[in-house]
Amino acid sequence: DGGITQSPKYLFRKEGQNVTLSCEQNLNHDAMYWYRQDPGQGLRLIYYSQIVNDFQKGDIAEGYSVSREKKESFPLTVTSAQKNPTAFYLCASRGGRDLGYGYTFGSGTRLTVV
Amino acid sequence: AQSVSQHNHHVILSEAASLELGCNYSYGGTVNLFWYVQYPGQHLQLLLKYFSGDPLVKGIKGFEAEFIKSKFSFNLRKPSVQWSDTAEYFCAVNTNAGKSTFGDGTTLTVKP
Repeated sequence: DGGITQSPKYLFRKEGQNVTLSCEQNLNHDAMYWYRQDPGQGLRLIYYSQIVNDFQKGDIAEGYSVSREKKESFPLTVTSAQKNPTAFYLCASRGGRDLGYGYTFGSGTRLTVV
Repeated sequence: AQSVSQHNHHVILSEAASLELGCNYSYGGTVNLFWYVQYPGQHLQLLLKYFSGDPLVKGIKGFEAEFIKSKFSFNLRKPSVQWSDTAEYFCAVNTNAGKSTFGDGTTLTVKP
């Protein structure tokens, strides 16, 4: 089945560490996105990529970095510069016209700073 | 910048009651509109979408939504809710740039 795989499901990070969240898709979608979900705040866009080797900052990019070396993969690094990294992180890819350009989401990674 | 407003943060209904969740957006151009649902313990999934054509769109599990362009609204409706509809619902707008902006979400609790 086609879909998006995010790993790990749970991640614990010590203060001052960088961590990388994995996102892989086998849907052959060009565009991929990273969102952060906090209680009562909906989803906020961190970074997005519309094509391989290109990406743009979203609304809350500070303290995060991404790469898009392959169409299938869009990893997110949460750096030590991110002041409040504890959150639920969602990766998504965007379908084509047949899906009305809707998103397919992964199951998410819950990051906790300890 | 585009924005999405969901008016109800938490809605509690009894089974068989009718549901309407409000969604308004601010963007002057062409939009694609979506409702996503997140059931407890599951990932976000697309419930229904408006791309073009008939402004009344039907999705899975008996949900429908109506796009009213003059009101910048895309309200979600269901005539008779079930306990299994308990979930969090997100409205989203997607512009030509391809990014989706989401509302803050509405938690629906259906009492059996």
